[in-house]
Amino acid sequence: GDSVTQMEGPVTLSEEAFLTINCTYTATGYPSLFWYVQYPGEGLQLLLKATKADDKGSNKGFEATYRKETTSFHLEKGSVQVSDSAVYFCALSDRRGYQKVTFGTGTKLQVIP
Amino acid sequence: DGGITQSPKYLFRKEGQNVTLSCEQNLNHDAMYWYRQDPGQGLRLIYYSQIVNDFQKGDIAEGYSVSREKKESFPLTVTSAQKNPTAFYLCASGEETQYFGPGTRLLVL
Repeated sequence: GDSVTQMEGPVTLSEEAFLTINCTYTATGYPSLFWYVQYPGEGLQLLLKATKADDKGSNKGFEATYRKETTSFHLEKGSVQVSDSAVYFCALSDRRGYQKVTFGTGTKLQVIP
Repeated sequence: DGGITQSPKYLFRKEGQNVTLSCEQNLNHDAMYWYRQDPGQGLRLIYYSQIVNDFQKGDIAEGYSVSREKKESFPLTVTSAQKNPTAFYLCASGEETQYFGPGTRLLVL
């Protein structure tokens, strides 16, 4: 079946550092890929998405590129802020049947001043 | 303002009691979902509904029940058969892209 693997956290960075959170996936067919962010005690917010190979999703300074050849969708940001501290989830939607979404286990990011 | 609302924010359950979590959306989505999140873990699908008056079991449906009488509403009941109900419950709606509510934290007294 489909699966999503994220790098384990927590990831601790100083403010203005470069961020990469790795995500790889296994899926049959051509899934859509997503990054969600969850702040403490809140629901998940859609951060960005990409629906086909080589698409780049971007939002609020975060970017991720759909790499079919490496089955990856790594999240990057050039300069993190304390307010980016949260848990980040990579996910895929298989676009078959009822659009089942498979989530990774989440990566906690802590940004220190 | 379009979105998904969940209530209550916190819910306490006594042993042997059934409790119901509310989920309402005004995004005009046909599909709605319930997930369970445990500390430090990802999301697990409890139930989903693709259309009014129809719903399907997800990966961990035992001890839970749902109804879908209106397009806007998808309440989840945690029954007394669910022996470990303490978790954060998230409702979502949407087809290819899912949008989430703020969650309900269920605690056992």
